[in-house]
Amino acid sequence: AQRVTQPEKLLSVFKGAPVELKCNYSYSGSPELFWYVQYSRQRLQLLLRHISRESIKGFTADLNKGETSFHLKKPFAQEEDSAMYYCALSRYNQGGKLIFGQGTELSVKP
Amino acid sequence: ETGVTQSPTHLIKTRGQQVTLRCSSQSGHNTVSWYQQALGQGPQFIFQYYREEENGRGNFPPRFSGLQFPNYSSELNVNALELDDSALYLCASSSNGQGTMVEKLFFGSGTQLSVL
Repeated sequence: AQRVTQPEKLLSVFKGAPVELKCNYSYSGSPELFWYVQYSRQRLQLLLRHISRESIKGFTADLNKGETSFHLKKPFAQEEDSAMYYCALSRYNQGGKLIFGQGTELSVKP
Repeated sequence: ETGVTQSPTHLIKTRGQQVTLRCSSQSGHNTVSWYQQALGQGPQFIFQYYREEENGRGNFPPRFSGLQFPNYSSELNVNALELDDSALYLCASSSNGQGTMVEKLFFGSGTQLSVL
């Protein structure tokens, strides 16, 4: 069965420190991986997709098929990065049918 | 460009009742997906509608049903409500969904359902 695991419910760092939000998945085929973010009092929105290989707001994520991971990283955290982050998986060409992890709350302290 | 809107924002029902939640998709989007998000959990896929047809379903019983209308808006109906149905229900729209890769989902703010 497909599953997404985010082992940390809460991650607290100081401003300027590096951040890594962990995401592991189980899926036998070719997955599409995403990171969604929800800022306080805002709706859930896409942060980045593995297929785009892009950096958004300084965040990057690399798909590691050997370790079945898609960790989200940022070298220097900012206070405005504080939010709820969800890792999600979609089966290839099964757009819109996402399997989400439980989420990690990132708190960046001044 | 109009975003995804959901109504109502909050709803209180009692066990055994029926509820209908509504979603207007973003302009130009023909696919609507519904998710249930229990407290402290990630969203869980309920089903998806593409061009008025159900296009995939998650692990939810048949008392969860839906509709999509010609203007691509959608309804989620839940019959015989149970206490465990208490959750935030999210609607997300996208521009295609039939066996294609979706660039991203646009989420609504959700409907908070409480079942007493």
